[in-house]
Amino acid sequence: GEEVAQTPKHLVRGEGQKAKLYCAPIKGHSYVFWYQQVLKNEFKFLISFQNENVFDETGMPKERFSAKCLPNSPCSLEIQATKLEDSAVYFCASSPGWGESGYEQYFGPGTRLTVT
Amino acid sequence: GQSLEQPSEVTAVEGAIVQINCTYQTSGFYGLSWYQQHDGGAPTFLSYNALDGLEETGRFSSFLSRSDSYGYLLLQELQMKDSASYFCAVLSGGYQKVTFGIGTKLQVIP
Repeated sequence: GEEVAQTPKHLVRGEGQKAKLYCAPIKGHSYVFWYQQVLKNEFKFLISFQNENVFDETGMPKERFSAKCLPNSPCSLEIQATKLEDSAVYFCASSPGWGESGYEQYFGPGTRLTVT
Repeated sequence: GQSLEQPSEVTAVEGAIVQINCTYQTSGFYGLSWYQQHDGGAPTFLSYNALDGLEETGRFSSFLSRSDSYGYLLLQELQMKDSASYFCAVLSGGYQKVTFGIGTKLQVIP
């Protein structure tokens, strides 16, 4: 598609439950990025993929967070045993890499995760 | 590591011009981007500067000085719909790593 799609729009989980978020990048974009935005503040980078391979995972809290981008499937971000501080909006972005106009990431509408 | 500084809030009058500054510290700098985010919405790309100078796109312009590690976003003929948060973001390293600033909340008043 021509837009990054994210599901669900909202997700509510009790503390300790698992949360799974999905992202379909723009067709033809090789790179996918996950960000966490808490309280409309800065975007914290979590992880990026080049096709189905992890590209950069330096922002990922690995003990509870995991992510995948498998061929012919939406990418996913999974949080095991959610904590209150995981409440945030999770944005997925995709990019074709560098182009004639420079560099741009295209963001999805986000998934608002509320942990109660 | 990377760090960016930009003002947290700016208020400007409809029809006026506003400049939002951004200073950064980073290694492996490739370029400076600006994104707009309306309340509850997704960030949308505004501009990307890799070289020194001014890039103009309609009412919006973006400037970069690599030697000063400084850039700004200039919004002209402000409209009420320009009320949003504006994030500067540095592209650095070899992994398309984009580091965002804290965002500047712009309020346009009549």
